[in-house]
Parts: sequence; C-alpha cells; structure tokens
Amino acid sequence: GAVVSQHPSWVICKSGTSVKIECRSLDFQATTMFWYRQFPKQSLMLMATSNEGSKATYEQGVEKDKFLINHASLTLSTLTVTSAHPEDSSFYICSASGTSWYEQYFGPGTRLTVT
Amino acid sequence: RKEVEQDPGPFNVPEGATVAFNCTYSNSASQSFFWYRQDCRKEPKLLMSVYSSGNEDGRFTAQLNRASQYISLLIRDSKLSDSATYLCVVTTTSGTYKYIFGTGTRLKVLA
Repeated sequence: GAVVSQHPSWVICKSGTSVKIECRSLDFQATTMFWYRQFPKQSLMLMATSNEGSKATYEQGVEKDKFLINHASLTLSTLTVTSAHPEDSSFYICSASGTSWYEQYFGPGTRLTVT
Repeated sequence: RKEVEQDPGPFNVPEGATVAFNCTYSNSASQSFFWYRQDCRKEPKLLMSVYSSGNEDGRFTAQLNRASQYISLLIRDSKLSDSATYLCVVTTTSGTYKYIFGTGTRLKVLA
C-alpha cells in the first residue's frame, strides 16, 4: 500500500516553455502533498505544501507564480513549471500523506532538463 | 547554520565493516526523526524511524539524543547493496508537519 506515482519520469523541454508534472496517490487519499526539488549532490528541498482544495503554501524563496501547484483532488496534485529556464533543471519529487499525517510517501521523481 | 547537518562523506568501507553516521539538528522542537536511503537518481526510501529509546532493525540501529539534538545510524556487517546516500530527516510543526532533510551521507561498500 501507500504508492505514489509521478508522471512523466523525465522530460526535456526548451527554455521558455511550461512543463506540468503529475503526482498521484494510487491506493490512498492524500490530504496533503509536498513538492521537493533536488539539485545534483544536494539534498531534497521542500518547495511547497498543498492540501486538497486549498492554495499551496510555498517555502521562502520559491516563486509561486513560476511553480504553479494544483491539488484539486485527494489523489492528484500537479506542479507546473512556467517559462522554464536551464536553472530550473532538477529532480522534482512529490510526496503524499494521508491519515497517518506524520508519514510521507514519495513518488519516484521527475527529472527535468531545460535546454 | 543548517537545520539538519550531516557529514557528506563519502564513507568507503569494506564489506562486513561496521559504519556509523551522525546527524545534528538545530530545532529543539523537532518531533519525529527518520533515516532514509536514496539511491542515485531515485526517490528516498524510508529506512527506519528513530525513537528516543533507540531502535534496531536487523543490521541497522538508530539512536536519538534529544538533549544533544543528535541522531545516529549504525550499520553492521555492511553489504555491497548498502551503498547509497543516507538522509537524516527531522520534522517540524511550524504550521504544517514538514520534513527537513539533511544533505545526506554517501556510503560506498567495497568488495
């Protein structure tokens, strides 16, 4: 149980375009979803937290107009990187928590390369 | 000062060795603690939770010292498959229950 999927697993896009990443909880209802970013040789940095039906809460330094998060249902959250630039190239990982609010289940990540 | 600090390593150890990783955290209000394992280009996977009384899972032992704000992970009888990055995670409840990841410690077990 507690499986989280992400799609796509990797994506290459051109500078200036937008990319949408989906995060789904497959076998549980995710009341809260988290989006992380990980640059090479660095740790996971929390970008934002979203609760179903509410606006996401962004961490300091994360541009909410650039990283659009939608958590419209209890099983799906999306992250859209708008007007992507090469410096946005990174490994984006989502996680989800349900009734066990202290436990997070991680998706397999999406590797984004912006050329 | 980073909220969660780890020695980045790498730790290169022979098979069968015992290796220990340490982690310190700055927020004394932190409530829960975990060790995660992350393989290259993969998502982190929960290795074990860390309790004040200490806990063991097979070859892995985790300890928490709240007074010193210090967490440790001991791996006995290292296997080649233990090669990975080990991430210390501390939680905080500043509004929402959030995970704060350490930078990770790289372990390479050598044949």
